[in-house]
Amino acid sequence: EAQVTQNPRYLITVTGKKLTVTCSQNMNHEYMSWYRQDPGLGLRQIYYSMNVEVTDKGDVPEGYKVSRKEKRNFPLILESPSPNQTSLYFCASRARLALRGTQYFGPGTRLTVL
Amino acid sequence: KNEVEQSPQNLTAQEGEFITINCSYSVGISALHWLQQHPGGGIVSLFMLSSGKKKHGRLIATINIQEKHSSLHITASHPRDSAVYICALRYNTDKLIFGTGTRLQVFP
Repeated sequence: EAQVTQNPRYLITVTGKKLTVTCSQNMNHEYMSWYRQDPGLGLRQIYYSMNVEVTDKGDVPEGYKVSRKEKRNFPLILESPSPNQTSLYFCASRARLALRGTQYFGPGTRLTVL
Repeated sequence: KNEVEQSPQNLTAQEGEFITINCSYSVGISALHWLQQHPGGGIVSLFMLSSGKKKHGRLIATINIQEKHSSLHITASHPRDSAVYICALRYNTDKLIFGTGTRLQVFP
C-alpha cells in the first residue's frame, strides 16, 4: 500500500530536549516536505527536499533541521525544542513527474513542548 | 496582504446543494493545489492545476491564471464532504504557501 508514515504520532517533551520525527515513504518519490499546522495560521511549510542531499527552506525553518540521506526518509530534527514549536506536523511526498500532482500526506505528529 | 486568500471561511449547506469555494492569489505561481482535511486531521490531495479545469467525480477545480483565481466546486454535496478545504500555491521549486482554509459542513 502506498503510504507516508510518521513516527511518533504523539509526543510530549520538555524544552531543550533534542528530538527527531521520522518520515518515510514507499513510493520512490523525489519530493518530500515537512509542514506544521497551527490554529489560526493554517499550514506552513518548514523544509522541503527535491531529491537525496537536496533540501531547502520553506516559510518557517527556524529551529528545525532536516536531512535527506536516502530517498525514502526525511527526518525532522528539533535540536532544542521550545514551547512555540508545539504544533501538528505533517510530512508529505510526491513524484516529480506526477500527472495529477498528487501529494501524499502522512497521518500527522502532534508535538507538545512543555 | 496575504499572498493567498480563500473565501468563504465557513460554509454550511444542505445535502444536494452545489458548493463553490474560491481562492485568489497575488503572485506568479507554477501550480495551485486543492487539499481536503477531514475532521480527524488527515489531509488528502484533491487536485493540482496549472491551467484550465479538472474533474474528479463530483469535484471540479478551475483556475484562471490571468485573473489569479481558482475555484473548487462540489456538485450534489453530501454530508461526507464535510471537511476543511485548503488551496495552496506552488512556486517553481517545491515551495508551497497555503490558504487558511474553508470549513464546509453539509447537513442531511
